[in-house]
Amino acid sequence: EPEVTQTPSHQVTQMGQEVILRCVPISNHLYFYWYRQILGQKVEFLVSFYNNEISEKSEIFDDQFSVERPDGSNFTLKIRSTKLEDSAMYFCASSEKFGTQQETQYFGPGTRLLVL
Amino acid sequence: KNQVEQSPQSLIILEGKNCTLQCNYTVSPFSNLRWYKQDTGRGPVSLTIMTFSENTKSNGRYTATLDADTKQSSLHITASQLSDSASYICVVRKGFQKLVFGTGTRLLVSP
Repeated sequence: EPEVTQTPSHQVTQMGQEVILRCVPISNHLYFYWYRQILGQKVEFLVSFYNNEISEKSEIFDDQFSVERPDGSNFTLKIRSTKLEDSAMYFCASSEKFGTQQETQYFGPGTRLLVL
Repeated sequence: KNQVEQSPQSLIILEGKNCTLQCNYTVSPFSNLRWYKQDTGRGPVSLTIMTFSENTKSNGRYTATLDADTKQSSLHITASQLSDSASYICVVRKGFQKLVFGTGTRLLVSP
């Protein structure tokens, strides 16, 4: 069964450094998402992406964050200058459909980011 | 305010027993409600999706209910197995896109 993959599984970085989290969505999916989950807290929506542009973003997704689909398969989340509070599990998700009642988002296994 | 509240926070049951998890939401406009299972350190996996007009939906040993009038949902797990130990997250779709996640119920099935 096709699945969303993410790399790396774990990333440790120094505060102020840039990180890029990578995701390979399911191949026939057109809609892509990033979520984060701070340890012990609920999953939070960051951004959705379609047709090479952001379709919606949350208040969390400030100027330090950016997303890109550099080629036909990868979908990346970049954090320009990491802060301690960026430490979290970051989930990528993709969906085939959009705006339908039955649209299902498939989540990747996540990248655990630790900012020191 | 658009929120999804779940109860209980955590639950321990014996293998083979049934349990029911609760979800209350205030998200508007409502599009659909999903229950996800999240194993520790893994991404959420969808169990059910329910729209406004659906009252009950089953997926194997999982049965979800939805009362759109009272804005409540429940997830019933029948004949629990050790592999059911996970967090169960109620998620409501706001409008066309944004998913609003609950804090989850952590279920431990004990042998």
